[in-house]
Amino acid sequence: AQSVAQPEDQVNVAEGNPLTVKCTYSVSGNPYLFWYVQYPNRGLQFLLKYITGDNLVKGSYGFEAEFNKSQTSFHLKKPSALVSDSALYFCAVRPRDGGATNKLIFGTGTLLAVQP
Amino acid sequence: DAGITQSPRHKVTETGTPVTLRCHQTENHRYMYWYRQDPGHGLRLIHYSYGVKDTDKGEVSDGYSVSRSKTEDFLLTLESATSSQTSVYFCAISESGGTSPLHFGNGTRLTVT
Repeated sequence: AQSVAQPEDQVNVAEGNPLTVKCTYSVSGNPYLFWYVQYPNRGLQFLLKYITGDNLVKGSYGFEAEFNKSQTSFHLKKPSALVSDSALYFCAVRPRDGGATNKLIFGTGTLLAVQP
Repeated sequence: DAGITQSPRHKVTETGTPVTLRCHQTENHRYMYWYRQDPGHGLRLIHYSYGVKDTDKGEVSDGYSVSRSKTEDFLLTLESATSSQTSVYFCAISESGGTSPLHFGNGTRLTVT
């Protein structure tokens, strides 16, 4: 079965330090990869996506993600964390043979807590 | 924020009653989706629509039906609510298929007692 794994339920980091939120996937072919962020009582917001090309993708709010095909990973990173980055982060995958619609497979989410 | 309104925002209902959740968009996007969010499961796709009167099932469609009679409205109906359907429900839209980002509403918290 196709799946997305976010191995850490929570990541704690001090403000100003670099952060990494991990994501690995088990999807056939070369899927499209996404990161979304969710703030309390809100819907998910799109951060960035990997389609093809450079393995390092830059997105909103200073976030970037590194695609590693051999490890089937797509880790979210930021060089310097802010307290306002504290939120729930979701990795999502779309198989390339998924047809015309953008049906995503989501991970279970990682809660990022940035301490002042 | 994309123009997506979900109603109601909160609802408590009893087991066995029908419930309809509404998603209204002002973006004229073709694709609309209903997801449910549960701890430990992330988001799971219930149903989606790729045009007026064109809908299809997602991975957790049992017990749910949908209708889309206008581009802007996508309704999710729980035919006979059960406690296992207690969840937060999110509507999402996308301008096109493929890799265009999903834009989400703020969710409906449904409690089935």
